[in-house]
Amino acid sequence: GAVVSQHPSRVICKSGTSVKIECRSLDFQATTMFWYRQFPKQSLMLMATSNEGSKATYEQGVEKDKFLINHASLTLSTLTVTSAHPEDSSFYICSASYRAYGNEQFFGPGTRLTVL
Amino acid sequence: KQEVTQIPAALSVPEGENLVLNCSFTDSAIYNLQWFRQDPGKGLTSLLLIQSSQREQTSGRLNASLDKSSGRSTLYIAASQPGDSATYLCAVHDTNKLIFGTGTLLAVQP
Repeated sequence: GAVVSQHPSRVICKSGTSVKIECRSLDFQATTMFWYRQFPKQSLMLMATSNEGSKATYEQGVEKDKFLINHASLTLSTLTVTSAHPEDSSFYICSASYRAYGNEQFFGPGTRLTVL
Repeated sequence: KQEVTQIPAALSVPEGENLVLNCSFTDSAIYNLQWFRQDPGKGLTSLLLIQSSQREQTSGRLNASLDKSSGRSTLYIAASQPGDSATYLCAVHDTNKLIFGTGTLLAVQP
């Protein structure tokens, strides 16, 4: 149980385009979802926390107009990177938690974004 | 502000050795601490979760300890194997957030 998927696993786009990444909890209803970013050889940095049906809470230094997060249902959250630039190239990982599981987060496999 | 540090940053050992990875955190007011494994280009695999009231957790060849008062956790890997080669991350649950450490890149030589 507690499986989280991400789609796509890998995406390459041109500078200036927008890219949407999906995060789904497959066998549980996620009350909270988290988005992380990981640069090469670095650790995970939390970008934002989203609760179903409400606006995401962004970490300091993360541009909310650049990284749009939607958590429309208990099993789906999306991260849209708007007007992507090469510096947005990174590994994006989502996680999901459910109250009944305490505050343990279950992680997706990640999405590799490359902006040309 | 919670900060999590892992030492060493990289470690190379011959197969069969026992090894210890270290994790330290600055604020002892944590809910729990979790150890993860990450293979290159992949997501995270949860290894062990230690609740703040616990002192250790074991799973197979892995044993994780937690000393909240000193802000330290260790991950002990017994009889290491080449398949254990990966980056190991510790993370502390701070309110509703996970704060990740800097990671230890482990290479087990056959």
